Amino acid sequence: TQLLEQSPQFLSIQEGENLTVYCNSSSVFSSLQWYRQEPGEGPVLLVTVVTGGEVKKLKRLTFQFGDARKDSSLHITAAQPGDTGLYLCALPYGGSQGNLIFGKGTKLSVKP
Amino acid sequence: DTGVSQDPRHKITKRGQNVTFRCDPISEHNRLYWYRQTLGQGPEFLTYFQNEAQLEKSRLLSDRFSAERPKGSFSTLEIQRTEQGDSAMYLCASSIRISATGELFFGEGSRLTVL
Repeated sequence: TQLLEQSPQFLSIQEGENLTVYCNSSSVFSSLQWYRQEPGEGPVLLVTVVTGGEVKKLKRLTFQFGDARKDSSLHITAAQPGDTGLYLCALPYGGSQGNLIFGKGTKLSVKP
Repeated sequence: DTGVSQDPRHKITKRGQNVTFRCDPISEHNRLYWYRQTLGQGPEFLTYFQNEAQLEKSRLLSDRFSAERPKGSFSTLEIQRTEQGDSAMYLCASSIRISATGELFFGEGSRLTVL
């Protein structure tokens, strides 16, 4: 059983469209991180959300942490080809060790 | 400022051969992690070091795998008697301190193909 479920698994859209991807768990998160990974590269941290109900914005990306801290979403406005990549959510486990459990990711393709 | 560096970026080997990957973390980071990522999956934790001490190993790290960080700086991950199932991207990451939220800085990965 996957601790973190991400949906959709794949998403292909045209440039300029909006999209939302989701990260869900049956467990409560202490915090959640979103990473983006481009083909052949390592993941790059986008944001960490900590407080239930928290909303963080990073240019055209809006991250939300659910009130119950069991889910999170990433909304991209006016997607661009440069947004193409694998979007991964991750949560720390093992107390303060910093080890992360990752979801399988949402593979986004933005076509010009 | 250099990020996490991994070498080699790509390795093709025949089944049964040994391979070694190297990771140079960000210089002031005392924690170093190894993850493995297969196609269609997110990264999976293998092991981590605080300075030179290996503090945790995943059950994914079979006895054919060994990781070292002898001087608390760079680390190596060796796979002995490689199998086709070892084909994956091996990612190294580092962090500066114990962080309640555990953000990691990843390298570009070493992609292993076992024929």
